[in-house]
Amino acid sequence: ILNVEQSPQSLHVQEGDSTNFTCSFPSSNFYALHWYRWETAKSPEALFVMTLNGDEKKKGRISATLNTKEGYSYLYIKGSQPEDSATYLCAFFNGNQFYFGTGTSLTVIP
Amino acid sequence: NAGVTQTPKFQVLKTGQSMTLQCAQDMNHEYMSWYRQDPGMGLRLIHYSVGAGITDQGEVPNGYNVSRSTTEDFPLRLLSAAPSQTSVYFCASSYPGGGEAFFGQGTRLTVV
Repeated sequence: ILNVEQSPQSLHVQEGDSTNFTCSFPSSNFYALHWYRWETAKSPEALFVMTLNGDEKKKGRISATLNTKEGYSYLYIKGSQPEDSATYLCAFFNGNQFYFGTGTSLTVIP
Repeated sequence: NAGVTQTPKFQVLKTGQSMTLQCAQDMNHEYMSWYRQDPGMGLRLIHYSVGAGITDQGEVPNGYNVSRSTTEDFPLRLLSAAPSQTSVYFCASSYPGGGEAFFGQGTRLTVV
């Protein structure tokens, strides 16, 4: 079993705060690292697919970085809004299977 | 564009019953997979397929069967339901090589 760990498990921030989460994964057999946003009663939706060491991706106020050599990725949200409230999942792909972390649950307080 | 269609949305089974969860995608994705989601456990891979006629086991395959006779369909069969299989199940599809996964809407299964 391969471990993908996310921290923190949950986070409450005020509207307008910036925040970041961490995803740790094995540094061997790396093919891709995904970030997904998962809203309550919906299905996960992809935010980023990252494949190269040093990758930086951005979508609006959300960005992510990747370090495959040390096995971690950061997701940043700038100026959090209530609509950012969701669970953020990362997934490690080793060429055959996806391994998901347990997610970081973000609540943005208006 | 339908994407990934998963049925049913809810199901209650009695212990020992069998059933099939249906999953179909219209994006011509070769890679399809089934996950279960349990509190505090995240998404765990049950079975996956890299193309028609090819399936393989994931992290938690016991009690489940799959087949992939076409690119579009990837049904998950529960052979003899047990209370431990109470969970939310998600089907997903993607292009091979670790492309973005598209998820179905989920099936909430309760085994009593």
